[in-house]
Amino acid sequence: GESVGLHLPTLSVQEGDNSIINCAYSNSASDYFIWYKQESGKGPQFIIDIRSNMDKRQGQRVTVLLNKTVKHLSLQIAATQPGDSAVYFCAETGLNQAGTALIFGKGTTLSVSS
Amino acid sequence: DVKVTQSSRYLVKRTGEKVFLECVQDMDHENMFWYRQDPGLGLRLIYFSYDVKMKEKGDIPEGYSVSREKKERFSLILESASTNQTSMYLCASSLRGPYEQYFGPGTRLTVT
Repeated sequence: GESVGLHLPTLSVQEGDNSIINCAYSNSASDYFIWYKQESGKGPQFIIDIRSNMDKRQGQRVTVLLNKTVKHLSLQIAATQPGDSAVYFCAETGLNQAGTALIFGKGTTLSVSS
Repeated sequence: DVKVTQSSRYLVKRTGEKVFLECVQDMDHENMFWYRQDPGLGLRLIYFSYDVKMKEKGDIPEGYSVSREKKERFSLILESASTNQTSMYLCASSLRGPYEQYFGPGTRLTVT
């Protein structure tokens, strides 16, 4: 079935470094991808999204890259700060029992040390 | 900013009780969603609604029902709570389809 996976469940970086969080997806027909940040005890927070007709999209300190050839999505965080410590999820549109829906990966825990 | 609120942050209920989880969004979004989040399983869609009084089953609707009487409010109902429904419940809303969903803070439900 369809699945959204992540290469690493945890990532540890030093404050000020750039972070790269990766996500592999399986549905080549997905037209939309999104990244969320979830801090402990809180709901997921929208970070950035990208449509399949784009390769790159930039936000404030974040960049999402989409490589459709190898079905790979990444989130780059520039100058990582302690406040960036959280679980990061990618999600893609896919088909499930509900029709078109967001299919979520299981998350990468980013730890930033100062 | 989009704001999605949920009625309780923490809830403890007994097995067999009827449980209501409320969600309200203030951005006039058409679509609302209920998910549960469990360690190692990620977010799983329970039910969603694309309009008032409309509902659609997600991946795991068994043991749950929903109600959407007003556009801004989407309720999740556990008819008879069971211990395997202990989980974090997350509500989300979106303007169009499944795209760009905004989440509430979550309700951590414990069923004993």
